[in-house]
Amino acid sequence: DVKVTQSSRYLVKRTGEKVFLECVQDMDHENMFWYRQDPGLGLRLIYFSYDVKMKEKGDIPEGYSVSREKKERFSLILESASTNQTSMYLCASGGLAGGRDTQYFGPGTRLTVL
Amino acid sequence: AQSVAQPEDQVNVAEGNPLTVKCTYSVSGNPYLFWYVQYPNRGLQFLLKYITGDNLVKGSYGFEAEFNKSQTSFHLKKPSALVSDSALYFCAVRAYQAGTALIFGKGTTLSVSS
Repeated sequence: DVKVTQSSRYLVKRTGEKVFLECVQDMDHENMFWYRQDPGLGLRLIYFSYDVKMKEKGDIPEGYSVSREKKERFSLILESASTNQTSMYLCASGGLAGGRDTQYFGPGTRLTVL
Repeated sequence: AQSVAQPEDQVNVAEGNPLTVKCTYSVSGNPYLFWYVQYPNRGLQFLLKYITGDNLVKGSYGFEAEFNKSQTSFHLKKPSALVSDSALYFCAVRAYQAGTALIFGKGTTLSVSS
């Protein structure tokens, strides 16, 4: 079975702090994704990566950055956390195959910024 | 632009009755369509996908979905609902030529009463 793990299930940070969210997948997938989920808005793509050291902006990249130094690990960074970044963050991974591949999700990190 | 619409925020059904969760999409070209389910405080779990072939797709937990190209719909169905099916359901689409992430609907909460 595909396994996608996220470093924390719950996280509480203060405004202005630098926050790191880690995601690891064990299926050798090329693609990895970070989404945020908010009630009534569904999932919105923040960033994705299709290879090591490669990244692409999604729909809402402002205030975030990412890092992919190894194929299995994709990190989301909040350089200076703000209260409007309080949300559920979901990591996903998937293979290539022209978009046919299923994305598999981690359990999510619920981040609260005070 | 690609988009997905889930016209119902909530669907209520009685246990044992058939259920339908609606999804319509808009893409250029052939779509890849997905359904995911999310239980409380959990990540998204893959249910089923349509890539090509038979318009009726069968997935996990007895769910199925029907692809209708003329109506640009991909409704999720189950012949007999269970209380344990109560969850948040997301429809998602990716266009054939796109190597990017999925576009998600806003989600539909399914509530099955006993």
